[in-house]
Amino acid sequence: QVQLVESGGGVVQPGGSLRLSCAASGFTFSIFAMHWVRQAPGKGLEWVAVISHDGSNKYYADSVKGRFTISRDNSKNTLSLQVDSLRVEDTALYYCARDPSVRGLAEMDVWGKGTTVIVSS
Amino acid sequence: QSALTQPPSASGSPGQPVTISCTGTSSDVGGYIYVSWYQQFPGKAPKLLIYEVSKRSPGVPDRFSGSKSGNSASLTVSGLQAEDEATYYCSSYGGTNNLVFGGGTELTVL
Repeated sequence: QVQLVESGGGVVQPGGSLRLSCAASGFTFSIFAMHWVRQAPGKGLEWVAVISHDGSNKYYADSVKGRFTISRDNSKNTLSLQVDSLRVEDTALYYCARDPSVRGLAEMDVWGKGTTVIVSS
Repeated sequence: QSALTQPPSASGSPGQPVTISCTGTSSDVGGYIYVSWYQQFPGKAPKLLIYEVSKRSPGVPDRFSGSKSGNSASLTVSGLQAEDEATYYCSSYGGTNNLVFGGGTELTVL
């Protein structure tokens, strides 16, 4: 079945780094744009980044620009998010999600269960 | 990249209709058809309900509908059911290669 499984979260000190991964299965990964969306504890959803189906276009929220890097490996059906220079306010559950739109920056129809990042000293 | 504005809470009785609003600007909600709505239960991932303002995602009951007027979008749940109690989020293309979400509306079925 169509599935997204995130991994790589953990506890890290401010200024630290992590690499989040999202393994896709059950669909042709290479034809879909993919997003990262996060949700701080008890808070709402925040869009983080998107990458086009072929990896040629990448866009970021202002809050993470210059610190986070989205990438994908279509040969391995894997989406990644390198998160550097972490701040306490980056603490959240990080979801990967599929964008089925032709535009590739519109809506998200398949979501993973998320991986938790905690930034604390 | 300001968030879209949603009421923090809404409520209704079973069988009654309820509408949740989502207000943006002409640079996001008002400027594009890419408005979506998501349903999220506690501890669960969001689920896509509505995309492109008013199109229902496959499998979504037809009591859920979406619309837009000017810089505001709305999600209407007609014939409210107990299982609809959840938090609802709107999102829109933000106009500068970004997406923006609303703050979320917690829907209570009385």
